[in-house]
Amino acid sequence: AQKVTQAQTEISVVEKEDVTLDCVYETRDTTYYLFWYKQPPSGELVFLIRRNSFDEQNEISGRYSWNFQKSTSSFNFTITASQVVDSAVYFCALSEASGTYKYIFGTGTRLKVLA
Amino acid sequence: SAVISQKPSRDICQRGTSLTIQCQVDSQVTMMFWYRQQPGQSLTLIATANQGSEATYESGFVIDKFPISRPNLTFSTLTVSNMSPEDSSIYLCSVEADWGQYFGPGTRLTVT
Repeated sequence: AQKVTQAQTEISVVEKEDVTLDCVYETRDTTYYLFWYKQPPSGELVFLIRRNSFDEQNEISGRYSWNFQKSTSSFNFTITASQVVDSAVYFCALSEASGTYKYIFGTGTRLKVLA
Repeated sequence: SAVISQKPSRDICQRGTSLTIQCQVDSQVTMMFWYRQQPGQSLTLIATANQGSEATYESGFVIDKFPISRPNLTFSTLTVSNMSPEDSSIYLCSVEADWGQYFGPGTRLTVT
């Protein structure tokens, strides 16, 4: 069965600190996709990144970076020099590569960035 | 990416009534999805809606409680029937497009 675990329920950091959000997944599929979404207080879900199971290259986008390691089934998300606007709930998700496109979401990590 | 709108954005409803939520996409998409997010919780898939076929419901969700329509490739509705306070949630529609699923802004439902 597929499963996504975000063990960190809530993290608080002071502005300009770096912070890493952990995501561990379980799947029997050899081909799958991993995602991160941001849900600010307004409630909408904002797509951040998709990574397929064959691409283990780390990705950097501005202050955001992602570390995908198949050996540990992890897809961690780091925010560098955090800002108050980064305060949100962040969800990691997993989907199989074909068929239903059903997403399995983790329970989310609430990030609070304090000024 | 797809631009998705939902109506209503929020509502407060009486127990026992029904509410229909609309989801409109700015482009034609094959697959649309309906999720529920209970307060402080993660997202749970209710059903997958493909145009021209019956919606496929996930375990724990039934058509009588959450009927779905998908009349064309840009629109879908979800009805929450015979509501109870336990149905108070955010309901989100999403579509599979480009790089992943894109979500609407959600409908915040409170049942009193």
